[in-house]
Amino acid sequence: EIVLTQSPGTLSLSPGETATLSCRASQRINSQSLAWYQHKLGQAPRLLIHGASSRATGIPDRFGGSGSGTDFTLTISRLEPEDFAVYYCQQYGDSPWAGGPFGPGTKVEVK
Amino acid sequence: EVMLVESGGRVVRPGGSLRLSCAASGFKFKDFGMSWARQVPGKGLEWVSGINWNGMTTGYADSLKGRCIISRDNAKNSLYLEMNNLRIDDTGVYFCAKIKGDYVDSAFSYYMDAWGKGTAVSVS
Repeated sequence: EIVLTQSPGTLSLSPGETATLSCRASQRINSQSLAWYQHKLGQAPRLLIHGASSRATGIPDRFGGSGSGTDFTLTISRLEPEDFAVYYCQQYGDSPWAGGPFGPGTKVEVK
Repeated sequence: EVMLVESGGRVVRPGGSLRLSCAASGFKFKDFGMSWARQVPGKGLEWVSGINWNGMTTGYADSLKGRCIISRDNAKNSLYLEMNNLRIDDTGVYFCAKIKGDYVDSAFSYYMDAWGKGTAVSVS
């Protein structure tokens, strides 16, 4: 069973700064199965990145994903006020019904 | 515009049952796999269950296996999650999500590309 670990748990930054979020898998995974989501309380989670590095439709280019194997990174450049939220990585299975674990999340908060 | 609207969440006693619904619009529902995920209070997201386009193949997280059934009605553009023998730790917000598949490097990969706002379930 794959376990995803995210660090840090909380990131305190100011608007305009860069956020670097880490997602580590307990074993090597196919990078195409790694996605990042943004979630704000009371709202629908939002897909940001799929395939480890492909931005979803409509996602600004200040959001970037990278990594392979067991280590993946989400970088948010020039933080905007609306970027303060919780971010999750997920490794989805190899079929639509397979699902997959989420990491515990990283909260990006205003410093 | 893709829209997913969940309903059916309510307060239920431990051991009780519940059926959640998700109404889909803005895309060809019958062409896509679908999933349910949840967020338990104070914790992160957890994938719950998934179903293929025609409802013939399903999958479940270990935490709910044997206690829930996912189904869909393509004629009604609707997804369902029937949950039985509910426990206090099933309390949370339940989301439905559309599954997108990409064919890359000779294989399919999947992700949840659209989500609803969720419906709240409270077991107490």
